[in-house]
Amino acid sequence: GENVEQHPSTLSVQEGDSAVIKCTYSDSASNYFPWYKQELGKRPQLIIDIRSNVGEKKDQRIAVTLNKTAKHFSLHITETQPEDSAVYFCAARQGGSTLGRLYFGRGTQLTVWP
Amino acid sequence: NAGVTQTPKFQVLKTGQSMTLQCAQDMNHNSMYWYRQDPGMGLRLIYYSASEGTTDKGEVPNGYNVSRLNKREFSLRLESAAPSQTSVYFCASSLRPGLTYNEQFFGPGTRLTVL
Repeated sequence: GENVEQHPSTLSVQEGDSAVIKCTYSDSASNYFPWYKQELGKRPQLIIDIRSNVGEKKDQRIAVTLNKTAKHFSLHITETQPEDSAVYFCAARQGGSTLGRLYFGRGTQLTVWP
Repeated sequence: NAGVTQTPKFQVLKTGQSMTLQCAQDMNHNSMYWYRQDPGMGLRLIYYSASEGTTDKGEVPNGYNVSRLNKREFSLRLESAAPSQTSVYFCASSLRPGLTYNEQFFGPGTRLTVL
């Protein structure tokens, strides 16, 4: 199966600074890479995703980049705010599989200090 | 639409007891999933059902069984609970297998403690 590794496990930033979370995957045929945000005590929710035929995607203050050659993708949050504090999970959908299964990283606890 | 719902929200069991976690979705999704979440371990897939009538093992299926009751409902059963099964359990659903954009929608979770 696919193996997704995520770093760092914890990240603290000052409000207004940028935050970057990185993930690597093992299967070069993986074709879909979503990012989920989980606030304390709540369910994970999709915040942004990217397909393997796209190198970068932006949505206001968040962006995701994908490097297929190196098999890694990253989440970038600019102008961080306290409400960005949460656990962020990256995931990969293994290529060739029609079952829709996602493989998740272990998560990054982001804390934004006011 | 309620999205994905789960019952119960909290449960405490004694070692050896059995229980069933219920999940239902009203989005007409074909695929459903059960995950467990433990500190520092992320979301680990227990079982999934790509479509009604099919179920498959995920990464950590031991000690669990599932039933895809119909298109809407997917239950997870612990036959003989063990302390190692103390966790938060999430159910999720997605539209259908084969889609590249296959967003999974999660339920609110069940916090299970096994004493």
